[in-house]
Amino acid sequence: LAKTTQPISMDSYEGQEVNITCSHNNIATNDYITWYQQFPSQGPRFIIQGYKTKVTNEVASLFIPADRKSSTLSLPRVSLSDTAVYYCLVGAARDSSYKLIFGSGTRLLVRP
Amino acid sequence: DAGITQSPRHKVTETGTPVTLRCHQTENHRYMYWYRQDPGHGLRLIHYSYGVKDTDKGEVSDGYSVSRSKTEDFLLTLESATSSQTSVYFCAISESPGTEAFFGQGTRLTVV
Repeated sequence: LAKTTQPISMDSYEGQEVNITCSHNNIATNDYITWYQQFPSQGPRFIIQGYKTKVTNEVASLFIPADRKSSTLSLPRVSLSDTAVYYCLVGAARDSSYKLIFGSGTRLLVRP
Repeated sequence: DAGITQSPRHKVTETGTPVTLRCHQTENHRYMYWYRQDPGHGLRLIHYSYGVKDTDKGEVSDGYSVSRSKTEDFLLTLESATSSQTSVYFCAISESPGTEAFFGQGTRLTVV
């Protein structure tokens, strides 16, 4: 199971772009990278998933370099409501031994 | 929202008593997970299930047992509750490992 490392916390201001990087040096060939968002008193919510290059949806973009040893979640023009904890997970989508394990995540605080 | 319901939502119990938390899904997803989350910390996987009567341990399984007698229900039992098991418990479901997981609303358990 690939171990992930992400910053403990980040601060930003409304309207700025926020980039959260996750390191996963021992990512395996079949592993996907998935990001979740968690608001206080709620369960995590899926944001985005990718395998390589770039993935974009209505919420965020995920950038994955060619060596796939890291990934960056990009949140465009954040608002106060983006204040949350963001988790990076790595694992093979169809691997039955993949345990959905969350690390400590990155606590993002968006200020006015 | 995915059809996943946790019960009870809140519970206060005394040290030494058995407690069972229920997770019910209507999505027919094969995988189900139980997590605990302590204040200011990330989620920690307790147990998970990859099918009816198929379960496995997670990161912090000591003091907990689970059962899954049918697809839609995953029960978490604290055989003899301790104060260290005071926490918020989340259930999650997914079609397969690594695909989007959906979380319940959480159960706040207090052991006094």
